[in-house]
Amino acid sequence: ELKVEQNPLFLSMQEGKNYTIYCNYSTTSDRLYWYRQDPGKSLESLFVLLSNGAVKQEGRLMASLDTKARLSTLHITAAVHDLSATYFCAVVLINDMRFGAGTRLTVKP
Amino acid sequence: NAGVTQTPKFQVLKTGQSMTLQCAQDMNHEYMSWYRQDPGMGLRLIHYSVGAGITDQGEVPNGYNVSRSTTEDFPLRLLSAAPSQTSVYFCASTEASGIGGELFFGEGSRLTVL
Repeated sequence: ELKVEQNPLFLSMQEGKNYTIYCNYSTTSDRLYWYRQDPGKSLESLFVLLSNGAVKQEGRLMASLDTKARLSTLHITAAVHDLSATYFCAVVLINDMRFGAGTRLTVKP
Repeated sequence: NAGVTQTPKFQVLKTGQSMTLQCAQDMNHEYMSWYRQDPGMGLRLIHYSVGAGITDQGEVPNGYNVSRSTTEDFPLRLLSAAPSQTSVYFCASTEASGIGGELFFGEGSRLTVL
């Protein structure tokens, strides 16, 4: 059974600092997504990673995928308050997308 | 563009009542799915459909029924609501028959069962 584990589950950062969110999964998959969710809102797609070694960057966020280690990371550079949200990784297994529990990020001034 | 539309946004039920959560998409997507989101557990797949007339169970299907008579609509039915079904429900769709592309989510339906 596919299990997806994210850590940390809660992250409080100061503005301007860097940090990394980790996503480990238990079964081979060649497709991993990162989503952002603001409180009371729906999920917004950030990145889709399709192959080993894939790296995607958008603004202060950079995601990478290591399929051999079954690990994806979401790196935050020089955090700003607007990045405060919950971030989910999700791994695809045929017709099923399994989500991690989410990382609630709070960026403080 | 409307995208994925869910109704209602909020609903309160009593234990044992039935209801249907509606989901419609206007992107001609073949794949549609329902997830529930509970605190600390991410999203869990309830049922999915890869096209009209085809449905299958996800990770947590018990207590829920679905049907897919058209490409556009994918309603989720609770036949006898239980407090354990208190959750936020999201409908999602993608153009691929499997989850090959970006999954588009609706705004969510918050259900409380008393």
